[in-house]
Formats: sequence, structure tokens, C-alpha cells
Amino acid sequence: GAVVSQHPSRVICKSGTSVKIECRSLDFQATTMFWYRQFPKKSLMLMATSNEGSKATYEQGVEKDKFLINHASLTLSTLTVTSAHPEDSSFYICSARDFRVGGTSGRFADTQYFGPGTRLTVL
Amino acid sequence: RKEVEQDPGPFNVPEGATVAFNCTYSNSASQSFFWYRQDCRKEPKLLMSVYSSGNEDGRFTAQLNRASQYISLLIRDSKLSDSATYLCVVQNAGNNRKLIWGLGTSLAVNP
Repeated sequence: GAVVSQHPSRVICKSGTSVKIECRSLDFQATTMFWYRQFPKKSLMLMATSNEGSKATYEQGVEKDKFLINHASLTLSTLTVTSAHPEDSSFYICSARDFRVGGTSGRFADTQYFGPGTRLTVL
Repeated sequence: RKEVEQDPGPFNVPEGATVAFNCTYSNSASQSFFWYRQDCRKEPKLLMSVYSSGNEDGRFTAQLNRASQYISLLIRDSKLSDSATYLCVVQNAGNNRKLIWGLGTSLAVNP
């Protein structure tokens, strides 16, 4: 299956600093990537949809000025947590959408592949 | 009402047992359905897609009932390595086809 990488896998930072997380699709081009956050014992929560070459679409309640998303190429999206605070400590996971249409049949495959996640701890 | 609802468990079963998880979804226009598995402190991994006709992959069987908006996952002959959280996921229509996640059902298979 397709591979999606995330970097860093773990980061510990002081309150007030900004943290950038990278999400890369390694063997396919992803016009759409998704950013999720997961708190302990909770489900994944979609934060935003990142579209290559355009502005991200944020879910209700997610501050776009705090969680900056840039999707400058078909294989890379970044999430920057600005002025991080302890309540931002969480597991951040990206996924990349692999959408392909097959030849003359017109059949398509539409799959999301997840990165391994980034564990952020803000002290 | 939550968009995707699951019994959080935990389910504690002995090795070799058969265990079933259920999930309901609220949006009748939902198009695709999945079961993901998530191990502690790891990213979710796709276990299987769920098709209207039902589908099986080894010890795992998934069923979909569109009329009742209900999805199930059956695990036969449970292994210790099956211990994880099982997430029911629904994908709606639309350009970006967002995934809607259930809270997950925790399974512990005991020796």
C-alpha cells in the first residue's frame, strides 16, 4: 500500500513556541490531505482538509490562525501549531487521499492512507 | 445523535472466542464504510472495507445493512494480537469525502 510519512514523530516544546509537522505522501500525489487530532481515549477528530494550491478548510471550532496549514505541493502538507499551549498536547495524524481513475473503464479507487502520527507535548 | 455510534466496550474475551462489534450511522446518504484498527499510541490502520453484500477476510467478516444504517464486524477464533481498538468509519459524499469516525470499541483478548 501507499506510504505516508510524518515528521517529527514526537516533539516536546515549551509553551508559547510554534511547532511545524510535515506530512508527505511518498509514492503518490495527494491533492487532498487531512489533519486529525486525537486526545487520549478519544476518537480521531478532523481538524481540517488541506487542498493543494488552495486554502485549507477548517472544521467548526478549529482556529485557523492557530493551526496553520500549507499544502504547497502534491506530496507535502504542513501543520503549524502556533504559540502552543499545554492544552494543545495531543496526537496529530495526517492522512493523504489517493484518488485514481483507471483507464477506459472509468473505475476509480479512492483511499486514504494515514501517517504514523506526531505526538506533541507542550510543557 | 452522533454521526457514528459504537459501543466503547471494553470487550474482554478469551483466546479462540468469537466476538462481534456493532456500529450505527446517522447519515442515510453515506457512501462508503470501513473498519479500522488502532493500537495504543499508533495511527489507525485499515482493517477492511464494508460492502453491501457483506465481505470476509480470513477470520474477519463485515456486514452492512443500509436500511437499518448498521455495520458489524465479526472476529472468529480471536488471537491475542487482535487486542486493539476497532473503529467504525463512514465516508460521505462530496468532493473531499471526509471520513467520519466512531469512538471505537476496545477489545482485549486474554490467554
